[in-house]
Amino acid sequence: DQQVKQNSPSLSVQEGRISILNCDYTNSMFDYFLWYKKYPAEGPTFLISISSIKDKNEDGRFTVFLNKSAKHLSLHIVPSQPGDSAVYFCAASRGILGGAQKLVFGQGTRLTINP
Amino acid sequence: DTGVSQNPRHKITKRGQNVTFRCDPISEHNRLYWYRQTLGQGPEFLTYFQNEAQLEKSRLLSDRFSAERPKGSFSTLEIQRTEQGDSAMYLCASSFSVAAYGYTFGSGTRLTVV
Repeated sequence: DQQVKQNSPSLSVQEGRISILNCDYTNSMFDYFLWYKKYPAEGPTFLISISSIKDKNEDGRFTVFLNKSAKHLSLHIVPSQPGDSAVYFCAASRGILGGAQKLVFGQGTRLTINP
Repeated sequence: DTGVSQNPRHKITKRGQNVTFRCDPISEHNRLYWYRQTLGQGPEFLTYFQNEAQLEKSRLLSDRFSAERPKGSFSTLEIQRTEQGDSAMYLCASSFSVAAYGYTFGSGTRLTVV
C-alpha cells in the first residue's frame, strides 16, 4: 500500500529553468508534508515543509504547493542550479503537532540539471 | 555538533550471521528513528525512541530485528540470522520532540548479505 507516490522516477531540466517535482498521497489523515534531498552516499537532508492548514510555503528558490482536495503536492525550484541535481523525496506525517513522528516517504525523483 | 553519526558505513556479512549497527544522534535531540531504504525506494520506517523508550515499531521489524537506546543517547540496531532480503541501507535520524522541520538523518549503514 503505497500511501505516498512520486510517479516520475526522473526529471531533467535545463539550468536556470523551473523544476517541478510532484507527489500524490492517499491518506487523508496526513497533516504535514516534507521534501528531502539526497545526494549519493549521504542521508536525506530536510529541504522544506508545509502544514495542511496552508497551501503554499516558500523558502528562497524553493516553494511547496499543497492541494488537499487533490491530495497532491509539488516542489518548485526556481531557478534550477547544477547543485540541485539529486534525488528528491516527498514525505508525509500525521500529528506533527506532537512532534515529527513516523514519516511515510515516496519512491523519489532523480532531478538532473543540465548546464 | 557533528550531526548524526552511523557506524559502520558498510557491512558485508554471510547469510545467517548477526550484525549490529550503531547510531549516535545529535546530542540535544531526544527522539531517534531507524529507517530502511532499498534500491529505488524511499526510506521505510522501522522504529523510533523518545529518550530510552521505544514508542513505535513497524511490522517490518520482524522478530529477528531489535533496537535499543539504553541511556537515551546512542542506539543500536541488531539483526539476527541475516537473510539476503535484509540487504539495504539502514538510516538513523534524530529530532526534538516538537520538530516542525523534520529529522536530521545520518549517512546510513549499507548492509550486504551474501
